[in-house]
Amino acid sequence: AQSVTQLGSHVSVSEGALVLLRCNYSSSVPPYLFWYVQYPNQGLQLLLKYTSAATLVKGINGFEAEFKKSETSFHLTKPSAHMSDAAEYFCAVSDLTGHNDMRFGAGTRLTVKP
Amino acid sequence: DTAVSQTPKYLVTQMGNDKSIKCEQNLGHDTMYWYKQDSKKFLKIMFSYNNKELIINETVPNRFSPKSPDKAHLNLHINSLELGDSAVYFCASSQKRTGGYGYTFGSGTRLTVV
Repeated sequence: AQSVTQLGSHVSVSEGALVLLRCNYSSSVPPYLFWYVQYPNQGLQLLLKYTSAATLVKGINGFEAEFKKSETSFHLTKPSAHMSDAAEYFCAVSDLTGHNDMRFGAGTRLTVKP
Repeated sequence: DTAVSQTPKYLVTQMGNDKSIKCEQNLGHDTMYWYKQDSKKFLKIMFSYNNKELIINETVPNRFSPKSPDKAHLNLHINSLELGDSAVYFCASSQKRTGGYGYTFGSGTRLTVV
């Protein structure tokens, strides 16, 4: 069964600094990979997804992620953090067969300091 | 127009009661889900329905019973509520069950059992 591991339950950056949120996946078949953002008291919103096309995926709000098969990673980055980026971020995986629906990582809380 | 709407947003009830949460999506999606998010933000899939057919029923107590009267609606009924059922419950929908489609989430129902 596929799974994802998010390294670091809490990441803190200064405004304007690089954001790097780490996600490693485990899947016996080629995966689909996703990043979602959850603002306080809201549902999750899709940031971006990898579906075996380009390995560098651009998403909303200036985020991007790179699929690296050799490292089984799908890290999320943003060149310059904004205060409004403070939220909980979830990496998720599903596989091509669809027999296993989306499984989420434990989440990483991003704090942005002024 | 809200894409995935859940009602109620908040639900406070006593142990032993029976309650329902309703979910409706107006996106024309084929697949709907229920997820439970615990106090540590961990998201666990509970049920998956595809075109009104139950696909996934994770290890969930049989006190939880989903019902899908049509593919736009997926309701969750919970019998004999327990303290451990306190969580945020999210409904989500996906265009198809396979093919790497992301989810659209509702804003959640915060259930508190006292």
